[in-house]
Amino acid sequence: GESVGLHLPTLSVQEGDNSIINCAYSNSASDYFIWYKQESGKGPQFIIDIRSNMDKRQGQRVTVLLNKTVKHLSLQIAATQPGDSAVYFCAENINTDKLIFGTGTRLQVFP
Amino acid sequence: EAGVAQSPRYKIIEKRQSVAFWCNPISGHATLYWYQQILGQGPKLLIQFQNNGVVDDSQLPKDRFSAERLKGVDSTLKIQPAKLEDSAVYLCASSFAGSHEQYFGPGTRLTVT
Repeated sequence: GESVGLHLPTLSVQEGDNSIINCAYSNSASDYFIWYKQESGKGPQFIIDIRSNMDKRQGQRVTVLLNKTVKHLSLQIAATQPGDSAVYFCAENINTDKLIFGTGTRLQVFP
Repeated sequence: EAGVAQSPRYKIIEKRQSVAFWCNPISGHATLYWYQQILGQGPKLLIQFQNNGVVDDSQLPKDRFSAERLKGVDSTLKIQPAKLEDSAVYLCASSFAGSHEQYFGPGTRLTVT
């Protein structure tokens, strides 16, 4: 991922709406793709991952979609809640145990 | 289960001073990582340990940064001397050997003035 400096892309959604956060990746050899959530003052927290041979995976209120043709990953959050407000990072897993983080997206949830 | 512990949480130093960060990984995790996260960016790997051996330190500025994990558990990361551009959050993460699931600590926010 490339640096975007201090100005993260921001997604503002109303509480209860669905959120879609997008990510472009560059390495076709990635084994897994992972979404992390990072709240202010905390380290990144694992949300969900998807193996490179899948195109969709669902978790609790979250769905990750993988489009290998255009090297695009998305995270869908259903019924977004105030507690979902954070910065979200996608990461590519290469060589089994290495992560390359992409550009973060700030999610702001308003009442 | 206890998570990854880091200390201190915050540190302010002047340029050219030295600083050290400490990390205690999750029990049983053989792999330990140090990342640098500059404000507004994703974490960037500095060094990866497998037990007490270095697996990857290709992104570590070795003229000023050093890290060790002598007994294969706790780790320290040192910067000497610090530069203004070292201002960042330093994150420690750990995982089981060969796993892609990394668990992060809360980080140490370093400000170099």
